[in-house]
This record gives sequence, C-alpha cells and structure tokens, in this order.
Amino acid sequence: DVKVTQSSRYLVKRTGEKVFLECVQDMDHENMFWYRQDPGLGLRLIYFSYDVKMKEKGDIPEGYSVSREKKERFSLILESASTNQTSMYLCASHQSNYGYTFGSGTRLTVV
Amino acid sequence: QKEVEQNSGPLSVPEGAIASLNCTYSDRVSQSFFWYRQYSGKSPELIMSIYSNGDKEDGRFTAQLNKASQYVSLLIRDSQPSDSATYLCAVADQTGANNLFFGTGTRLTVIP
Repeated sequence: DVKVTQSSRYLVKRTGEKVFLECVQDMDHENMFWYRQDPGLGLRLIYFSYDVKMKEKGDIPEGYSVSREKKERFSLILESASTNQTSMYLCASHQSNYGYTFGSGTRLTVV
Repeated sequence: QKEVEQNSGPLSVPEGAIASLNCTYSDRVSQSFFWYRQYSGKSPELIMSIYSNGDKEDGRFTAQLNKASQYVSLLIRDSQPSDSATYLCAVADQTGANNLFFGTGTRLTVIP
C-alpha cells in the first residue's frame, strides 16, 4: 500500500513563527499536494507539484510556500504563521489516473 | 472552475438501512470518479473508484455513474454505526495530471 507520512500529528506554534510541515511518500509518485481543511469549507488546495523542483499554486497559496527537493518529499512552509492559518493540513500523492492517497494530517494551532 | 456538488447533510439512516449519497459534477468530459470516507478528526480514505457508466460493487458499497446526467452516487447497504462519517465525492480533471476536484462532503449518521 502507498504510504504518505506527515511528520507531525499536532502542532502548536506562535504567531509570526516560521512553520515547516513535512510530507513523505514511498511509492515514487510524481504528483503531490497540500490541502487545508476547515469546517464547512471542505478541502482547499494550497500548492501542488508534478515533479522535483516544480510547484504550482492552488486556490489559496497566500501566506504559504512549498519545497520539493526530492521526489518523495514535499514540504509546506508557513513563512510567518498567523491565527487564520489554524487548520488541519493534509498532504496527498497520486500517480496518473488513480485516486489520491492522503497522509494522516497535521492539526496546526497558531496562538 | 470545475464544480462538484454534494448535499452536506446530515443524512441519518437507521442501522441496517440503505444509505444513498449523491454527487453532481460540472465537467462533462470527466472520466474518473472517487468516493472517500473521512471519520471525524481523521484524513480521507479512498473507498471506491469508478470509471465507466453503470454500477460497481465492492462489499456493502456500490458506486453508480451516469455520465450523461453528470451524476455519481454511493450506496451503502446494511448500514452500520461504523459507517458514520463524512463522504467526499471527487472528480478527476482530464487535463494535465488528473488533479481531483472534491465536493464538500455529506455527513452520514447511522443510528443504532
């Protein structure tokens, strides 16, 4: 089975901190994604990547950046965390015409 | 913007009944469709995929696709309390890397 691993299950950070969320997949998938999920708003795409060193903006990229230095790893960076970035963050990967596999999620609280 | 619409619910059914979850989509050329189950506080889990018109059965789950009507549904037979979750419909974009567009989900509660 494809495994997508997110480094932290829960995180608490202070306003203004730089935050790194890490995601690693073990199935050599080309495509990786970062979403945030908030009650009533569903899944919202932040950034995605089709290949190493490639990135594309999703629907809500403001306040975020990403890094993909290796095929298996896709990092989400909050440059200066704010309270409105408190959310559940989900990483996913997929290949071609198959559904996404999601990581277990990181619940981030910014205080 | 491609749209995927679901009734947000909540949908309540008694244990043992059939739960019917519905989804419509806007992109007429979409070819791949997925259902995810998400328990509260957990990440979405892929439970069904369907690519052709008609029905696809997997255990107690049946996915139904009607491309002409741009409609996909999920039936859960003999519903169990453990089926209580939010069900997300996802439709693949036919351009580029087949990115998925998600509905906002239908919350299902199975009452013992």
